[in-house]
Amino acid sequence: GAVVSQHPSRVICKSGTSVKIECRSLDFQATTMFWYRQFPKQSLMLMATSNEGSKATYEQGVEKDKFLINHASLTLSTLTVTSAHPEDSSFYICSARDSHQAFFGQGTRLTVV
Amino acid sequence: ELKVEQNPLFLSMQEGKNYTIYCNYSTTSDRLYWYRQDPGKSLESLFVLLSNGAVKQEGRLMASLDTKARLSTLHITAAVHDLSATYFCAVDMSRGSRLTFGEGTQLTVNP
Repeated sequence: GAVVSQHPSRVICKSGTSVKIECRSLDFQATTMFWYRQFPKQSLMLMATSNEGSKATYEQGVEKDKFLINHASLTLSTLTVTSAHPEDSSFYICSARDSHQAFFGQGTRLTVV
Repeated sequence: ELKVEQNPLFLSMQEGKNYTIYCNYSTTSDRLYWYRQDPGKSLESLFVLLSNGAVKQEGRLMASLDTKARLSTLHITAAVHDLSATYFCAVDMSRGSRLTFGEGTQLTVNP
């Protein structure tokens, strides 16, 4: 099956700094990618839909100025957490889809200290 | 708004026993997905169910879909410890669109 590669897998950053997470679809072109956030013991919550060549669509309650999404090519979407705070600590997972199924990255464990 | 509900949320069972996890969803869809998640890891695809009456089996797991009842089941046969994980079902409204996930069922299989 298709592979989605997410990097980094773990990151620890200081409060106030920014962190960039990359999501690459390795063997198919993804015009749309999805970014999810998962808190401990909870389900995945969609943060935003990343559209190649256009602005991302954010879910209600997700700050677009804080979670910057760039989808500059058909194989790469990035999520930048700006001015990170401890409450942003979470597990972030990207996904790319074809018409039948979704493929997930390995996830990024973000810890803000 | 599409809602997806799983039952039970927590399941502790003994090795060798059988059990079923249920997934209900609120609006019409003929596509449902089951995933497994191990602690600290991302999602692993288990089953893709793309039509009413679809049934798929892999090892000790079998999934089915009834789109008229808006219900999917994940049946575990003769559980083993290695099946301990969290299982999610997910539904989409159209091909290639976002997935909406259930709350997850945390399964623990005890020796």
